[in-house]
Amino acid sequence: AAGVIQSPRHLIKEKRETATLKCYPIPRHDTVYWYQQGPGQDPQFLISFYEKMQSDKGSIPDRFSAQQFSDYHSELNMSSLELGDSALYFCASSLLNQGASTENYGYTFGSGTRLTVV
Amino acid sequence: GEDVEQSLFLSVREGDSSVINCTYTDSSSTYLYWYKQEPGAGLQLLTYIFSNMDMKQDQRLTVLLNKKDKHLSLRIADTQTGDSAIYFCAESPSTDSWGKLQFGAGTQVVVTP
Repeated sequence: AAGVIQSPRHLIKEKRETATLKCYPIPRHDTVYWYQQGPGQDPQFLISFYEKMQSDKGSIPDRFSAQQFSDYHSELNMSSLELGDSALYFCASSLLNQGASTENYGYTFGSGTRLTVV
Repeated sequence: GEDVEQSLFLSVREGDSSVINCTYTDSSSTYLYWYKQEPGAGLQLLTYIFSNMDMKQDQRLTVLLNKKDKHLSLRIADTQTGDSAIYFCAESPSTDSWGKLQFGAGTQVVVTP
């Protein structure tokens, strides 16, 4: 079965550079979520998109921006990178449940992009 | 995560049962999840439970939910060395933003032969 695809798997950038992370959701999933997991930390929610519109926002720095495109893939753009941005960045996708149901429409994570800022 | 708490470490012998506990604070949580993360790898969804359920069983995994105490547990029967990993409990805070997960700090499970 198709999974959530993230690219690149690994990325090394210098301080003050920019980085773009890509996420391709599971086919027919309409919602994308971005998480940041620092070393030894639990994943922290950054931002989410539903039908190409921002649906929720978490602890995302102003230096970061994201969008979801017409084919539902999403990109996380990170500028003025700092050493503290070094982390594993996960994308997840789901089909948004509009009503009460015991079905979970597949909240699935990608394998992540490991960003190292040097 | 501040709102979701887990014990940080569990050591278990191969073949025994493991029980990982989690407490959460948001009584409006709709879904509660268990994820497994192996070193350097992504988050693998193990199982989930909807808030109107008390128990869910899936092969070697049993999830118990006590809504009154806001307590969630994951039992792994016949624990294997391949079960060594970090296990994260996560909750969906509400139906309005059910996809925004709040994770616990993770429980590192070490399985010894």
